Amino acid sequence: DVKVTQSSRYLVKRTGEKVFLECVQDMDHENMFWYRQDPGLGLRLIYFSYDVKMKEKGDIPEGYSVSREKKERFSLILESASTNQTSMYLCASSPTSGSQSRYTQYFGPGTRLTVL
Amino acid sequence: AQKITQTQPGMFVQEKEAVTLDCTYDTSDPSYGLFWYKQPSSGEMIFLIYQGSYDQQNATEGRYSLNFQKARKSANLVISASQLGDSAMYFCALGRTGFQKLVFGTGTRLLVSP
Repeated sequence: DVKVTQSSRYLVKRTGEKVFLECVQDMDHENMFWYRQDPGLGLRLIYFSYDVKMKEKGDIPEGYSVSREKKERFSLILESASTNQTSMYLCASSPTSGSQSRYTQYFGPGTRLTVL
Repeated sequence: AQKITQTQPGMFVQEKEAVTLDCTYDTSDPSYGLFWYKQPSSGEMIFLIYQGSYDQQNATEGRYSLNFQKARKSANLVISASQLGDSAMYFCALGRTGFQKLVFGTGTRLLVSP
């Protein structure tokens, strides 16, 4: 089974702090994603990466950056956390080949971030 | 632009009954995929079922089936014989072939009562 893990389930930070959210997958997937989920808005893509050191902006990249130094790890960075970044953050990974669907994304358990 | 619409914010069903969760989509791509995910209160998104735009038959996975009507651009999820454990948020998503990104709907909260 695909396993995607996230470093924290719950996180509380202060405004202005630099925040790191870590995501690790163990299935050798090429693609990794960061989403934020807010009530009534569904999931919105922040960034995704299709290879080591490669990244592409999603729909709401402002205020965020990412890092992918190793294939299995994808980090989301909030350079200076703000209260409007309080949200649930979900990481996902997907392969680029395989049976069924090449695009099925597998998700981690999520990190609920509160910025005070 | 790609768009997914889930018009039912909440649905109620009794245990053992079937329920249909609606999803309509908009895309100009000839090749695409449709996904359904379940999100229990624990927060993790669980992949349920996939339908490719060129698939001739509707997808089925156990108690889940996808009622795919291409001309109407709808991809409704049907859950047969509902169980209490089916209570969760359900998200429909659209993916473009050749790209890895998915566009998600706003979700439908399903509550299964005894």
